[in-house]
Amino acid sequence: GENVEQHPSTLSVQEGDSAVIKCTYSDSASNYFPWYKQELGKGPQLIIDIRSNVGEKKDQRIAVTLNKTAKHFSLHITETQPEDSAVYFCAASTDDSWGKLQFGAGTQVVVTP
Amino acid sequence: NAGVTQTPKFQVLKTGQSMTLQCAQDMNHEYMSWYRQDPGMGLRLIHYSVGAGITDQGEVPNGYNVSRSTTEDFPLRLLSAAPSQTSVYFCASRRLGLGDGYTFGSGTRLTVV
Repeated sequence: GENVEQHPSTLSVQEGDSAVIKCTYSDSASNYFPWYKQELGKGPQLIIDIRSNVGEKKDQRIAVTLNKTAKHFSLHITETQPEDSAVYFCAASTDDSWGKLQFGAGTQVVVTP
Repeated sequence: NAGVTQTPKFQVLKTGQSMTLQCAQDMNHEYMSWYRQDPGMGLRLIHYSVGAGITDQGEVPNGYNVSRSTTEDFPLRLLSAAPSQTSVYFCASRRLGLGDGYTFGSGTRLTVV
């Protein structure tokens, strides 16, 4: 089955700096890669996703890049703000898995003022 | 719209007790699922359903039971609680089809003593 590895497990950045989280996946058939943000005491919330026919996608200060050949994808957050502090999860799935997501272990991001 | 509603938010059980975690969604989503979240392990799929009357096992199904009698509800039953089932449980739903992310509930924090 699919295996998703996520690095780093914790990330501390100064406000205004950029943050990058990287994930690798094992199943070359995976074609959908969402990113979720989880704030303390809440459920994960989808922040951005990408499909395998696209190499990069941006939404304001966040962007996701995908390298199918290397089987890795990354989340980029620019101009970080204190409200970006949260746990971020990457995930992967294939079309034939009923959309079942395999999650990475998560990255705790702390943005210090 | 309420989205995905989970009850209770917190629960303490004694080893061997049984209980049901409730999940309801009002978005007419076909797909519903239960995940457990443990530190450093991301979210792991317990059971999922692609419609009323249809359920299947995920990655960690042992000790849990589910049923789906309506589109809206997807309860998770713990048959005989064990300390290893201490975790945070999330219910998530989505429309079947490409490009739709999950909507998560706010979680149930379960402690088995």
